[in-house]
Amino acid sequence: NFMLTQPHSVSEFPGKTVTISCTGSSGSIASNYVHWYQLRPGSAPTTVIYEDNQRPSGVPDRFSGSIDSSSNSASLTISGLKNEDEADYYCQSYDSSKFYVVFGGGTKLTVL
Amino acid sequence: EVQLVESGGGLVQPGGSLRLSCVASGFTFSNYDMNWVRQAPGKGLEWVSYISTTRSILYYADSVKGRFTISRDNAKSSLLLQMNSLRADDTAVYFCARGPRNKFEYWGQGTLVTVSS
Repeated sequence: NFMLTQPHSVSEFPGKTVTISCTGSSGSIASNYVHWYQLRPGSAPTTVIYEDNQRPSGVPDRFSGSIDSSSNSASLTISGLKNEDEADYYCQSYDSSKFYVVFGGGTKLTVL
Repeated sequence: EVQLVESGGGLVQPGGSLRLSCVASGFTFSNYDMNWVRQAPGKGLEWVSYISTTRSILYYADSVKGRFTISRDNAKSSLLLQMNSLRADDTAVYFCARGPRNKFEYWGQGTLVTVSS
């Protein structure tokens, strides 16, 4: 089965830039869109990037997404880190050959 | 503003049943596909079930197939999840999420289901 692998945790200081990777196990990650969700305890999850690199209205342009076919991975980059960015981030895609949703394992972002 | 509010969670014994609800506001509910997604304590997200706008297409994760039933009442802007034969590994926060099966645009805050004796 298609799987998405994320680092368990990342950390960085306020004002810096952090990148969270999401690597596909097989096939081409570019075959289906990748979306990114932010989960904070006690709050509803929110979409920070959809369809690889699109930002929903209301999400600051400090958040960006990209796809790298050579490494079969997607990335979420957050620049100008703020304390409020501390959260768990999940990538998600879809295995269209088997009709099922795939989530990455999640990455805990700590703003030092 | 899009809002999704889940309810119905609680403590239930193994083998028991529970019915979750999700009331939507801020958009025309009948125009959107809906999903349930869950997160077990300390674990990642797991998609659970999907329903199309007209209820004609339903999908379930293998882990809940035959035990859970998704439904919707477009007149009441509500999404439902009937959960039967509950097991300990069904313990999780259950989120309703608007969107097609391959993308979740908006989420509720979730409702906690605990299956324990």
